This record gives sequence, structure tokens and C-alpha cells, in this order.
Amino acid sequence: QSALTQPASVSGSPGQSITISCTGTSSDVGGYSYVSWYQQHPGKAPKLMIYGVSNRPSGVPNRFSGSKSDNTASLTISGLQAEDEADYYCSSYTSSITPYVFGTGTRVTVL
Amino acid sequence: QVQFVQSGAEVKKPGASVKVSCKASGYTFSHYGMHWVRQAPGQRLEWMGWINAGDGGTRNSQKFKDRVTMTRDTSATTAYMELSSLTSEDTAVYYCARSGDNWSVDHWGQGTLVTVSS
Repeated sequence: QSALTQPASVSGSPGQSITISCTGTSSDVGGYSYVSWYQQHPGKAPKLMIYGVSNRPSGVPNRFSGSKSDNTASLTISGLQAEDEADYYCSSYTSSITPYVFGTGTRVTVL
Repeated sequence: QVQFVQSGAEVKKPGASVKVSCKASGYTFSHYGMHWVRQAPGQRLEWMGWINAGDGGTRNSQKFKDRVTMTRDTSATTAYMELSSLTSEDTAVYYCARSGDNWSVDHWGQGTLVTVSS
């Protein structure tokens, strides 16, 4: 099972909005509403930011939103803040013999 | 609150095995699954497998199917992941993490660094 495809890096200025894409296939992203997004700061464990494509866990700011169209999921960060600078990973359930897969990861830089 | 305490860092020789433990607290252990995820230095997250903490059923990544064994002790609220036939490519931080809604991973341990070196 190959990793889901994400851009290596995305950047934006404070207050701007950025969008990170996560491209898979009809066997994973396109076939299920089981896409999640994680934020990881250097040297720290990942943190769940979005689950079930567009749901925010308690405590996650509403600046973070998720969506999906066909085989591509997206994470949008509105009103970008300095503390949003981190690595972001998507994940999805898959119908392949390996049932779960992470994306390649995206480094978000706040200019 | 949900917490995980993982076992300490390990240094292993090539060909050896390593067993990482993950003590859970703050929730009913047997009601949730547990994922195991690893991250090599500077690399992406890699899913290794999942165990149903209730009945012990497992689902593994094909990449590790012959080398990884996941178990749990419900009385001790502890999950275990054993990886055998280690090579230098297995050098990574290994995370246990609770399975949440919609196959998400909602709470993560602090990670255990496993270094494989001769």
C-alpha cells in the first residue's frame, strides 16, 4: 500500500489561509469517509486535528477545517498563526490488505 | 484524561527483537483498539498495525506481517508490540496510539526510540 500523496511544503503569512491536499485512490480516500489529519511539531507526538473528513475533536480551533472531493482530501487552515508551523499528515482507511495508510507529510511554514 | 506511558529507549543489535510496552490510563482499555505507528528519523509516519484491546484480534501492515506481534494484557491495561529480525532500517520512534472514531488515531503515547546498530 503506497502512501497518500501530499505536497512537501506549503507556506503562508500570518492571517492568511492555506490548503493542504491529500490524494489517494477510490480504495482509500475516495471510497471512505475515514480521512484524518494530524499535526506534528518537531520532537513531539502527532496530534489529531480532523477525523471523519471534516470533524474537529474537542479543543481543536475552528480555524482548521477538512473536506473531500473524489479521491482528494484537503485540510484548510484559516487565519494562519505562528504556532501552526508544523508537519501535517493525512491518513485513511483502505480496502487493501493493509487497512490503514498515512500521507507523505507536508511541512507548513509561517512566513 | 487519556494517557499512555511507553517503555524506555532501546538499543538492539541487527537480527535481535524488541518489545515495546504501552501502559494506558484514563479510559476503559478494552473498549478501544490500539494502533502502532513508527517514524524513522526525518521520515513520515508509518502505520504498523492495530489490536482490538477487547478480544485481541489484530490487523497488520503487509510490510511487517511476518515480523510484528501485537498483544495486550487487559488486567494491566497494557499493549505490547514486538518486532523481530531487526535491521538498521528499523531505527525509529515507535508510538502506541488509541483508535478513535472513523479509524482515526485520537491519543498518542510519547514514543519509544529504538536504535538498531552493530
